[in-house]
Amino acid sequence: KNEVEQSPQNLTAQEGEFITINCSYSVGISALHWLQQHPGGGIVSLFMLSSGKKKHGRLIATINIQEKHSSLHITASHPRDSAVYICAVSPNTGNQFYFGTGTSLTVIP
Amino acid sequence: KAGVTQTPRYLIKTRGQQVTLSCSPISGHRSVSWYQQTPGQGLQFLFEYFSETQRNKGNFPGRFSGRQFSNSRSEMNVSTLELGDSALYLCASSYRQGMLETQYFGPGTRLLVL
Repeated sequence: KNEVEQSPQNLTAQEGEFITINCSYSVGISALHWLQQHPGGGIVSLFMLSSGKKKHGRLIATINIQEKHSSLHITASHPRDSAVYICAVSPNTGNQFYFGTGTSLTVIP
Repeated sequence: KAGVTQTPRYLIKTRGQQVTLSCSPISGHRSVSWYQQTPGQGLQFLFEYFSETQRNKGNFPGRFSGRQFSNSRSEMNVSTLELGDSALYLCASSYRQGMLETQYFGPGTRLLVL
């Protein structure tokens, strides 16, 4: 049983397209994180959300606590956005930190 | 500020050996968390240290241990290595305890067990 589900697993887009990655979770959470991992392994924390919406440049993250769902949007996608995007949640009970399996995004010029 | 640093970046060991990985957090950060990433299991939480105390622990066997020093630097040790321990080990630091803070990840140590 996966506490965090992401979709799609793989995504290929043309440069300039609007991209959406979805994350659903089954536990009560205190925060949800979107992470970006480039080839070679380095991980960057993009957003930490507990409610509403956050925007940073071309990236927008939203969360609906009632529906236990979050989306990561990339506007005007660019080849440098090609990476694996990982959703992770901090549950509000227990000590675990649950990760989705990631969405591998490739943006073609 | 310098980012999170991990040493070594790459390591090859054989089954049965032990390994120690090191993580230096961002200056001023007191929380250090360790994660294992494998192609089959994805990212998994190992443990978190705050002020030299292990505060949270994931579901890993006792062969995986860690510690944190007074300067917040942390080490992770894996004893009696198994082939399945081959993975990318990531360390992340944050200012406050727990997962409520934005975590800053290091580049990782890629461990290969032969």
